[in-house]
Amino acid sequence: NAGVTQTPKFQVLKTGQSMTLQCAQDMNHNSMYWYRQDPGMGLRLIYYSASEGTTDKGEVPNGYNVSRLNKREFSLRLESAAPSQTSVYFCASNIGQQLNEKLFFGSGTQLSVL
Amino acid sequence: DAKTTQPPSMDCAEGRAANLPCNHSTISGNEYVYWYRQIHSQGPQYIIHGLKNNETNEMASLIITEDRKSSTLILPHATLRDTAVYYCIVRVGGGGTSYGKLTFGQGTILTVHP
Repeated sequence: NAGVTQTPKFQVLKTGQSMTLQCAQDMNHNSMYWYRQDPGMGLRLIYYSASEGTTDKGEVPNGYNVSRLNKREFSLRLESAAPSQTSVYFCASNIGQQLNEKLFFGSGTQLSVL
Repeated sequence: DAKTTQPPSMDCAEGRAANLPCNHSTISGNEYVYWYRQIHSQGPQYIIHGLKNNETNEMASLIITEDRKSSTLILPHATLRDTAVYYCIVRVGGGGTSYGKLTFGQGTILTVHP
């Protein structure tokens, strides 16, 4: 049981390039989330998907788009990368229908934009 | 969500109990206290949560004061592998995306020494 899998683990982009971060979970979870973490800071929510077919903005959505491809997969796209998007990105998931649920996180993608 | 205050760093000797405090003086009656930790370069990991009663699981114990304005996470026998950033989060219990909008502060860096 792999849990939440993110690819790639590392990526270097030039300003203006685009890329897609992939996330997949094998726990049959309904809800999925994308966070970013900057040095010395906590995690900030970028986008989330309550269920297949729905997506909503979090705290810091500017410069990002997401796609909930199916129940398992939730991707994050940077259309035109900027140095301010240099960060570590975490995907997370949970069932999304029960009280007091815990979040399961992936191992992260370290992105550098030059 | 209620704001939490944690010390920026703490040390603990291996084999001893690590007691991590958290103040949440503005907590509401329906808000839960959650603890997560993040080992260097990994995704956050759920530890424990509680509402007003003390809780214990295989990882830790959570002691919540009677007025619920503060709590303590206890790792009974700390090991070197417990060195991590520990986040105390106060959040309204509930399913769906409301849970996913966890606000991670800066947390406490716990260093366990040999």
